[in-house]
Amino acid sequence: GAVVSQHPSRVICKSGTSVKIECRSLDFQATTMFWYRQFPKQSLMLMATSNEGSKATYEQGVEKDKFLINHASLTLSTLTVTSAHPEDSSFYICSARDALAGKETQYFGPGTRLLVL
Amino acid sequence: DAKTTQPPSMDCAEGRAANLPCNHSTISGNEYVYWYRQIHSQGPQYIIHGLKNNETNEMASLIITEDRKSSTLILPHATLRDTAVYYCIVFTNAGKSTFGDGTTLTVKP
Repeated sequence: GAVVSQHPSRVICKSGTSVKIECRSLDFQATTMFWYRQFPKQSLMLMATSNEGSKATYEQGVEKDKFLINHASLTLSTLTVTSAHPEDSSFYICSARDALAGKETQYFGPGTRLLVL
Repeated sequence: DAKTTQPPSMDCAEGRAANLPCNHSTISGNEYVYWYRQIHSQGPQYIIHGLKNNETNEMASLIITEDRKSSTLILPHATLRDTAVYYCIVFTNAGKSTFGDGTTLTVKP
């Protein structure tokens, strides 16, 4: 199946700093990528939809100024957690949808574990 | 968004078939049913998807009822490495989805 990578796999940062997480589709082009957050022992929660060349759309309750999303190319989306606080500590997962017509399947990255001290 | 409901947990003996049910009674006519699994601290792994016909690949089989209101994922010969949380998902045309709690499958020796 298609491969999606994330970098870094884990990051520890101090409260108040910003952290950037990259999501790349390695062997296909993705006009749409999705960002999820998962807290311990909970399911994945969709945060936002990242569209190549346009603004991201955020789910209700997700602050767009805190979670900056940039989808600069068909293979790369970035999520920047600005002014991170301990409550932002979570497992962040991206997914990418193949841009070819009829390819609805989403492929997920391995996730990025963020710990804010 | 079409909601899915799954039993919270299931056990299966190693080497036996694991049958994981999912209800998706509000699914629309052109929406696919997708199955993923998540092993601890990893991203979800794609397993299989289908619209209305039964599907089979190297990982699993998917049986969808004629009215499309429910489906069953079948792992024909479960191994210990199949222990994971299994999610049944229906994506909207825009690709959005609501992840339920999934089914925690425990394969026992």
